[in-house]
Amino acid sequence: GQNIDQPTEMTATEGAIVQINCTYQTSGFNGLFWYQQHAGEAPTFLSYNVLDGLEEKGRFSSFLSRSKGYSYLLLKELQMKDSASYLCAVREVTGGGNKLTFGTGTQLKVEL
Amino acid sequence: NAGVTQTPKFRVLKTGQSMTLLCAQDMNHEYMYWYRQDPGMGLRLIHYSVGEGTTAKGEVPDGYNVSRLKKQNFLLGLESAAPSQTSVYFCASSYSSYRDPNQPQHFGDGTRLSIL
Repeated sequence: GQNIDQPTEMTATEGAIVQINCTYQTSGFNGLFWYQQHAGEAPTFLSYNVLDGLEEKGRFSSFLSRSKGYSYLLLKELQMKDSASYLCAVREVTGGGNKLTFGTGTQLKVEL
Repeated sequence: NAGVTQTPKFRVLKTGQSMTLLCAQDMNHEYMYWYRQDPGMGLRLIHYSVGEGTTAKGEVPDGYNVSRLKKQNFLLGLESAAPSQTSVYFCASSYSSYRDPNQPQHFGDGTRLSIL
């Protein structure tokens, strides 16, 4: 089984940088995904890490440390449209089917 | 390019009624999934399928059945709806781990189901 923890809520200012953390415990790590979900909409894929280090995609970056069971999503130059829930999801080696276990999500509010 | 399409988008049922939620994908994905999302609980996997004619249980399978008769479709059935099944249901699909393990799951827009 897995245990995934992320903060419930965060607030940040437009134009600023925010870091959303995710810690996990798993018996067989095989990748970590970050999704964005606006209220009433489907989750959409943001980033994927399977090796240690930083993956950068425009304003969004994601970092992984497998030894620490830790990842973060970094959002730069925040915009009002970034207000959403950010979901951390971990894939395990065992079980097949590319199954993911999701955290409960971090609700980010971007203010003026 | 439609991606993952779920029908219906909204439904209200009475306790004990049955219904089927339909998921269709046009990306030729091998794997398909059904999740439910409840406040404070995150997305939880109900059932999944790794190919046509195969299904498997996820984290919360009780009270649900599924079928995958065609590669592009994945049906979720509630035989006798209960108020505890009031939720938002999401379908997702992905390539198999053999074809590309780095590809993410793609989600439909969800079905909002209320059971009175």
